[in-house]
Amino acid sequence: NAGVTQTPKFRILKIGQSMTLQCAQDMNHNYMYWYRQDPGMGLKLIYYSVGAGITDKGEVPNGYNVSRSTTEDFPLRLELAAPSQTSVYFCASSYYAAYNEQFFGPGTRLTVL
Amino acid sequence: KNEVEQSPQNLTAQEGEFITINCSYSVGISALHWLQQHPGGGIVSLFMLSSGKKKHGRLIATINIQEKHSSLHITASHPRDSAVYICAVSSSSGEYGNKLVFGAGTILRVKS
Repeated sequence: NAGVTQTPKFRILKIGQSMTLQCAQDMNHNYMYWYRQDPGMGLKLIYYSVGAGITDKGEVPNGYNVSRSTTEDFPLRLELAAPSQTSVYFCASSYYAAYNEQFFGPGTRLTVL
Repeated sequence: KNEVEQSPQNLTAQEGEFITINCSYSVGISALHWLQQHPGGGIVSLFMLSSGKKKHGRLIATINIQEKHSSLHITASHPRDSAVYICAVSSSSGEYGNKLVFGAGTILRVKS
């Protein structure tokens, strides 16, 4: 099993550009999450999904969109990138709710200039 | 005030020392998680516990539900233990349903 995979590993965007961060898991997990990690700060939840077709906002959803058309994939879309979105983004999944262990992807380091 | 507080924020130890990282939380929880993140690396789950104590190799995690406090201990520390250690709590009720709430992390450096 590959676990949770994320692409790309690194990306530099110009202000106003858009991009999609890809996340996939092969563990048949129901729950998937997108986090951002800023220096000196804890992980902040952007969006999460409890199953295909169901998504909900986390703490910091502004400027992002998600979709969950399959159990395996949970892409994160950035529209009109801003410098404040410079961060490391982690995707995670778990079989049950947050009570259960979350498995994290390797992260995507995004810089917006 | 953050729902999950970790201390210390930074910790430098000599190889072989016994290390303790603390985590306090203010919400009702269903489980507490300890995670490890190496520099430039991904995040790995070390422990998930809801009571008592768990041990894995040189790592020990304890939790006191009444005091809303958990500790992560590392015995005989080694430079390869240098990482960020993150405490997170999960609650199946209220505003935190289905989510983890994270502490800011403790940066550990073990010198040889």
